[in-house]
Amino acid sequence: KQEVTQIPAALSVPEGENLVLNCSFTDSAIYNLQWFRQDPGKGLTSLLLIQSSQREQTSGRLNASLDKSSGRSTLYIAASQPGDSATYLCAVVLFGNEKLTFGTGTRLTIIP
Amino acid sequence: GAGVSQSPSNKVTEKGKDVELRCDPISGHTALYWYRQRLGQGLEFLIYFQGNSAPDKSGLPSDRFSAERTGESVSTLTIQRTQQEDSAVYLCASSLARLSDTQYFGPGTRLTVL
Repeated sequence: KQEVTQIPAALSVPEGENLVLNCSFTDSAIYNLQWFRQDPGKGLTSLLLIQSSQREQTSGRLNASLDKSSGRSTLYIAASQPGDSATYLCAVVLFGNEKLTFGTGTRLTIIP
Repeated sequence: GAGVSQSPSNKVTEKGKDVELRCDPISGHTALYWYRQRLGQGLEFLIYFQGNSAPDKSGLPSDRFSAERTGESVSTLTIQRTQQEDSAVYLCASSLARLSDTQYFGPGTRLTVL
């Protein structure tokens, strides 16, 4: 059974700092990995999707990396802003399985 | 519409009543997914549709839960004889085809069973 873990569960950093969020998964036979953000009382917003053949994806101040062999992904946020405060979730899709298996999430707070 | 929509946004019901939750996916998206997020817990997969067929119902927690999709569009998740443990936010997502595509989520329906 695929298990997805995110550490830390919560993180607070001052505005302007760069930061890294971590995601680990137990089954490396993934089809893709997706990073989402969830704002309180709202649905999920897709940030980046990395296919299993890719090593990283970038969008603006966000960069996500994938190392399948070690079962790890990181989300790098540059020059953090208060608007980045949210819960960040990673999720994987296994080969032969259509569903997303979600991580436990990291609640990020950017301190102005 | 521009995104996935869900209705109602909030639903309060009494234990034992039936409820129906609706999802309108992005137009043209053939894949549709239902997830559940209980308070303080992660998201759980419930069911997946490809077109109007549901090849994966493995996440439905009991036979009180059912879902259907018509016209490769709207989907309805029905919970019969609701229990307090059914209280959660129910999220719907759609993607263009399957697997390799980004899943886009609706705002969710918050269900409270008293």
